[in-house]
Amino acid sequence: GEDVEQSLFLSVREGDSSVINCTYTDSSSTYLYWYKQEPGAGLQLLTYIFSNMDMKQDQRLTVLLNKKDKHLSLRIADTQTGDSAIYFCAESPEGDSSYKLIFGSGTRLLVRP
Amino acid sequence: DVKVTQSSRYLVKRTGEKVFLECVQDMDHENMFWYRQDPGLGLRLIYFSYDVKMKEKGDIPEGYSVSREKKERFSLILESASTNQTSMYLCATGTGTAYNSPLHFGNGTRLTVT
Repeated sequence: GEDVEQSLFLSVREGDSSVINCTYTDSSSTYLYWYKQEPGAGLQLLTYIFSNMDMKQDQRLTVLLNKKDKHLSLRIADTQTGDSAIYFCAESPEGDSSYKLIFGSGTRLLVRP
Repeated sequence: DVKVTQSSRYLVKRTGEKVFLECVQDMDHENMFWYRQDPGLGLRLIYFSYDVKMKEKGDIPEGYSVSREKKERFSLILESASTNQTSMYLCATGTGTAYNSPLHFGNGTRLTVT
């Protein structure tokens, strides 16, 4: 079945890099997403990567995709206290389920000053 | 910017009550979704709708129903609220299929059933 797994918690110092990891099971997933949820808010799309790409960079964010191992990571360079949030990895499986996303349990990032 | 508005931020209801959670979007998106978010479980899909009057069960539809009479409005109904339905409920919208269109989320409704 479809499943997305993430570690629950990550703590880093301000200015360091953060790496949030995710594994997924559906090899037919076409797009993989990272969403950010700040306290008291809904989810906001951060970035996404198409499955035929290995890497995507967007300012301080770098997404790496290892399709063979079904492993996705989000690197945040120069992490700031404003980056403290919950980060969700999500996959979009093909076929009948193409309308929906499968979300991981979320990784809570705490940035220490 | 897409705006997805959930009618209540916080709700407190009693066991057995019928509860309505409302979601309204202003971008003419075809697809609308209801998720619930619980610590350590992430987001789980309850129901979604890809058109007016159309609905599909998600992964955890038991105890819930939905209504989509107009394109911009998607309601989640708890027929008889129970304490295990205490959760954060998130509405989302999208256009096309999920793999070529990101979802846009409301700010959530935190429901407590006592």
